[in-house]
Amino acid sequence: GQQLNQSPQSMFIQEGEDVSMNCTSSSIFNTWLWYKQEPGEGPVLLIALYKAGELTSNGRLTAQFGITRKDSFLNISASIPSDVGIYFCAAPGSSNTGKLIFGQGTTLQVKP
Amino acid sequence: ETGVTQSPTHLIKTRGQQVTLRCSSQSGHNTVSWYQQALGQGPQFIFQYYREEENGRGNFPPRFSGLQFPNYSSELNVNALELDDSALYLCASSLWRSDTQYFGPGTRLTVL
Repeated sequence: GQQLNQSPQSMFIQEGEDVSMNCTSSSIFNTWLWYKQEPGEGPVLLIALYKAGELTSNGRLTAQFGITRKDSFLNISASIPSDVGIYFCAAPGSSNTGKLIFGQGTTLQVKP
Repeated sequence: ETGVTQSPTHLIKTRGQQVTLRCSSQSGHNTVSWYQQALGQGPQFIFQYYREEENGRGNFPPRFSGLQFPNYSSELNVNALELDDSALYLCASSLWRSDTQYFGPGTRLTVL
């Protein structure tokens, strides 16, 4: 079945550093979504990408829809302590069921 | 604009019991999807409802069932609870045929 592979699995960085994470698949997707989840909360949509090659920013966050349509990247610039959380990539499943497939998540910890 | 809301926040049940979880969609959205998120994993799609009918279903047994009401709110019912049903249950709303889903805060279900 379709799978999304996120890397790295976890990151522990110093405040002020930039962060990069990615999501890859052997399947082609028409939409890529990036969510952030904090403990005990639901995922919050950060960025939605709808076109191959698209580069979209949301404040200090920038995400790109890979040209091959099989991958996506999320960058966070000048990290701050409130960036702590789990970042998930997601994409729609192949059947028209409304299903989103999620990666395993990248856990980000920021040291002040 | 009102976001997705879920109730209750937490719930404790014993094995074999039945549970009903509730979700109100974001204003303007007509489609509701339900996900199960086990600890340390990404959300897994249960099913989606549109026009009060199930549009698609993930790999979950029939004891997981749902309803959608004319005001687009939704319920998730789980019968014959098992220990493995302990998880965070997430509701997401969207416009019909849109891949972009917005999540609620979730209901934490513990089965003892």
